[in-house]
Amino acid sequence: SQTIHQWPATLVQPVGSPLSLECTVEGTSNPNLYWYRQAAGRGLQLLFYSVGIGQISSEVPQNLSASRPQDRQFILSSKKLLLSDSGFYLCAWTVPYPDTQYFGPGTRLTVL
Amino acid sequence: KQEVTQIPAALSVPEGENLVLNCSFTDSAIYNLQWFRQDPGKGLTSLLLIQSSQREQTSGRLNASLDKSSGRSTLYIAASQPGDSATYLCAVTPGDEFYFGTGTSLTVIP
Repeated sequence: SQTIHQWPATLVQPVGSPLSLECTVEGTSNPNLYWYRQAAGRGLQLLFYSVGIGQISSEVPQNLSASRPQDRQFILSSKKLLLSDSGFYLCAWTVPYPDTQYFGPGTRLTVL
Repeated sequence: KQEVTQIPAALSVPEGENLVLNCSFTDSAIYNLQWFRQDPGKGLTSLLLIQSSQREQTSGRLNASLDKSSGRSTLYIAASQPGDSATYLCAVTPGDEFYFGTGTSLTVIP
């Protein structure tokens, strides 16, 4: 069966510090991968998605970036965090035909 | 751009009641629609997926319907239980991207 891992589960970082969140998927190959952010009391905001290694689509201009160095690994990064980057970050992947989306457990990021 | 709306934003019902959650979307050119459940501080759990060629899907006490031409979906929960308390989100996809509603927060009162 397929599983998705995200770490860390929680993170508290000072403003201006770097960020690296990692997501890995097991039990499948060539998945579509997604990064979402969920701010308090708000819906899911799609940040990035990837249909293959090295292929990244960005939905929202911001100080975040994403990379996909391996087929089942998706990394969300920032060089300098802002207060507005606080939120719940969710990684997801899609099972094709039909396109069913599954989510990881999420990372709670607090920027102070 | 696709917009997904969920009404009501919050709903409180006594245990045992049947209830309906609504989801509407502006662009009917979708590939499928998916309903999720989110418990506080947790990721999303997939409940049901309806492909664009289907009208409804059922899983246990849950039944989801889709009327693509009118841009609407409903999630019917029968005989609600306190354990059903959570936020319910719907999402539509035309392909690679998924568009989410802001969710309905459901509280089932024992």
